[in-house]
Amino acid sequence: EADIYQTPRYLVIGTGKKITLECSQTMGHDKMYWYQQDPGMELHLIHYSYGVNSTEKGDLSSESTVSRIRTEHFPLTLESARPSHTSQYLCASSSSGSSETQYFGPGTRLLVL
Amino acid sequence: AQSVTQPDIHITVSEGASLELRCNYSYGATPYLFWYVQSPGQGLQLLLKYFSGDTLVQGIKGFEAEFKRSQSSFNLRKPSVHWSDAAEYFCAVGAREYGNKLVFGAGTILRVKS
Repeated sequence: EADIYQTPRYLVIGTGKKITLECSQTMGHDKMYWYQQDPGMELHLIHYSYGVNSTEKGDLSSESTVSRIRTEHFPLTLESARPSHTSQYLCASSSSGSSETQYFGPGTRLLVL
Repeated sequence: AQSVTQPDIHITVSEGASLELRCNYSYGATPYLFWYVQSPGQGLQLLLKYFSGDTLVQGIKGFEAEFKRSQSSFNLRKPSVHWSDAAEYFCAVGAREYGNKLVFGAGTILRVKS
């Protein structure tokens, strides 16, 4: 099982603040993903990266941005948090090949007041 | 468009009883299929996956799933449920033709009564 870490696990922050959610993996996976999950709802892909300096927007539109400067690190940034950003954010990674299983981090639960 | 349907939002079973969670998909390509489990406040843990070959796949914690192409289904089963199985279960589908990005179902919450 992949080791993938997310910090912080919980974040309560006021409207207008800039936040960065961290995601790191130690498995050398080339692909990384960010999902947004609201309570009782399915996961929606908001960003993905197939390698260093490669990022794409996912199926769900998001005001967040991501970067991939190092293979193991895929942070997500919100320049100005709003209550509508309140959600759980899950990071995942996978390795290219015939068995592209995604492994998930523990998630960050964000509450914007 | 690709979609995954988990028809049951909640299921309650007695401890020791058998379990089947349903998953149906609509996909324009040969799918990869996954089942994940999520405990409250946690990330998703992979239970099992199907890529090719034997359509009955075994996973962790005594779970198994059967891929039925004719029914576009990938139902999850367990012969005897334990109280620790209470969690939310997600079915997901991907395909090489779509860059192996996953589409998730809305999840099924399993409650286990003693």
